[in-house]
Amino acid sequence: EPEVTQTPSHQVTQMGQEVILRCVPISNHLYFYWYRQILGQKVEFLVSFYNNEISEKSEIFDDQFSVERPDGSNFTLKIRSTKLEDSAMYFCASSGQGQPSYEQYFGPGTRLTVT
Amino acid sequence: LAKTTQPISMDSYEGQEVNITCSHNNIATNDYITWYQQFPSQGPRFIIQGYKTKVTNEVASLFIPADRKSSTLSLPRVSLSDTAVYYCLVGVPRGAGNMLTFGGGTRLMVKP
Repeated sequence: EPEVTQTPSHQVTQMGQEVILRCVPISNHLYFYWYRQILGQKVEFLVSFYNNEISEKSEIFDDQFSVERPDGSNFTLKIRSTKLEDSAMYFCASSGQGQPSYEQYFGPGTRLTVT
Repeated sequence: LAKTTQPISMDSYEGQEVNITCSHNNIATNDYITWYQQFPSQGPRFIIQGYKTKVTNEVASLFIPADRKSSTLSLPRVSLSDTAVYYCLVGVPRGAGNMLTFGGGTRLMVKP
């Protein structure tokens, strides 16, 4: 069964550093997402991406965040200058096109720790 | 998205049927009801989606009464591996590109 993959599984960085989280969505999917989950809290939507542009973003997704699909397979989330409060699990997801559905396929996540 | 209310937690034993109810009194005519499952330290996983009456797949059943103000996710004969958080989402999905809004979910603990 096809799956979404994410690398690295765990990233430790110092406050103020830039990080790039990588995702490989399911190959025939066209919509890509990033969510995050701070430890013990809800899963929060960050951004959705379609046709090489952002289609929706939340208020969390400020100027410190950016997304990119640099090639035909990868989807990345960049945090320019990390803050302590960016420590969280970051989940990438993808979905196909077809019948209206909330079905999205999530990756295993990248645990980001900002020290 | 319609506001949803679920129990914070539930306990069950292996082999039992588990029913998790979600209240969504303000559900709109075009809203669908979707359930996700999240295991510890993993991403959420889509379980089932429905609009009315009953939907069943290999994992679960979803029961939706005629007034659609609530829904019940039914897990038959749970095992320890069904210990997870279960989320109820209500809204109008587009063909794709939907922003999912997760609430606190129901933490199901299955005991031996």
